[in-house]
Amino acid sequence: DAGVIQSPRHEVTEMGQEVTLRCKPISGHDYLFWYRQTMMRGLELLIYFNNNVPIDDSGMPEDRFSAKMPNASFSTLKIQPSEPRDSAVYFCASSRGQMGTEAFFGQGTRLTVV
Amino acid sequence: RKEVEQDPGPFNVPEGATVAFNCTYSNSASQSFFWYRQDCRKEPKLLMSVYSSGNEDGRFTAQLNRASQYISLLIRDSKLSDSATYLCVVNMAPSGGSYIPTFGRGTSLIVHP
Repeated sequence: DAGVIQSPRHEVTEMGQEVTLRCKPISGHDYLFWYRQTMMRGLELLIYFNNNVPIDDSGMPEDRFSAKMPNASFSTLKIQPSEPRDSAVYFCASSRGQMGTEAFFGQGTRLTVV
Repeated sequence: RKEVEQDPGPFNVPEGATVAFNCTYSNSASQSFFWYRQDCRKEPKLLMSVYSSGNEDGRFTAQLNRASQYISLLIRDSKLSDSATYLCVVNMAPSGGSYIPTFGRGTSLIVHP
């Protein structure tokens, strides 16, 4: 398996623009997580899905952020409009089951909003 | 209080040294525990799971103390290649929901010649 695949790897955009981050989880994994990592706050969970259904989005910072999972092999995280404080590395991770299993991470998308 | 707490370090040690990291967690109902390693500008990757009886993988030993809600990682005979950030991860279920991986801020290790 190719692992969790994220795109793009890097994104530089101007403030106010829409940004869409993409993720393909590992086949057969039923949990998908979106995390954001910054120096100040470390890794923060934004939202997670179970069987394509959003379970907890309490970590999404504001209404400018939205996430979807239209099928088991694809998820998007959208920021509209983007702001400089959204600059961070965004990771997607997936796992099978929950309690005793590890999460596998994609390589991340490094977002810079100028 | 943060759910998973770690000393950020950095821990600066010479090659061959033994170094230990600690981690505390707040949710007593937590079920699974892991140590991840993250290299600079890379994604976190699983280093080892942590079992109740303690477990060892080569130079690495992990221990869990449920009573004190405490996890540790011991690295013996440190190598230059061990330089990285070590993340403590606890699968916990907020408000009785699904178990989700909750990360500490990480502990930075620098091994020098």
